[in-house]
Amino acid sequence: SQQGEEDPQALSIQEGENATMNCSYKTSINNLQWYRQNSGRGLVHLILIRSNEREKHSGRLRVTLDTSKKSSSLLITASRAADTASYFCATDERNTDKLIFGTGTRLQVFP
Amino acid sequence: DAGVTQSPTHLIKTRGQQVTLRCSPISGHKSVSWYQQVLGQGPQFIFQYYEKEERGRGNFPDRFSARQFPNYSSELNVNALLLGDSALYLCASSLGQGYTEAFFGQGTRLTVV
Repeated sequence: SQQGEEDPQALSIQEGENATMNCSYKTSINNLQWYRQNSGRGLVHLILIRSNEREKHSGRLRVTLDTSKKSSSLLITASRAADTASYFCATDERNTDKLIFGTGTRLQVFP
Repeated sequence: DAGVTQSPTHLIKTRGQQVTLRCSPISGHKSVSWYQQVLGQGPQFIFQYYEKEERGRGNFPDRFSARQFPNYSSELNVNALLLGDSALYLCASSLGQGYTEAFFGQGTRLTVV
């Protein structure tokens, strides 16, 4: 079963705009990771945020984590057509390396 | 450095047949996990191996099995294939023991006809 839900399920924006995706999860976690997937291919690791962190940046990516609300958000600033992909959040079960994925957000960036 | 490599990239099998998928982790990574991704859904955990021992198993039938070799590469076997086994099978490697990123291969697209 899926651990979390991403919101929205689909998002369409113009190049240059910002894209925000949200993820909710159900149980206590060690880490939360965000991945990108292009056209049903492999997952590309974007960023990991630990449960004791509240915000993390990597290039045009900004991730926040609110463990009290069991939610995270991924912000992509100044989006590009190449950012078009599906984005997944994944949480780990405590004391395991098992990742539990959400349902994903399909992002379409128009030139 | 080479990333996670999976073979084959595509596979077509008939119902009832058996299939073996292969994965080579990133050098130095001792943990390998397998995931099944059905079209339109997020990946679902199948197995995790660390140091050649099974450390986790998802909610999949016994037709699914896996193993990890001394060089940390891994195989996923699926017996008595069903149409519903058609999916993208993803392998992920990590250093293991928590607090680490998982890196995925490009996957094997299995089609059962």
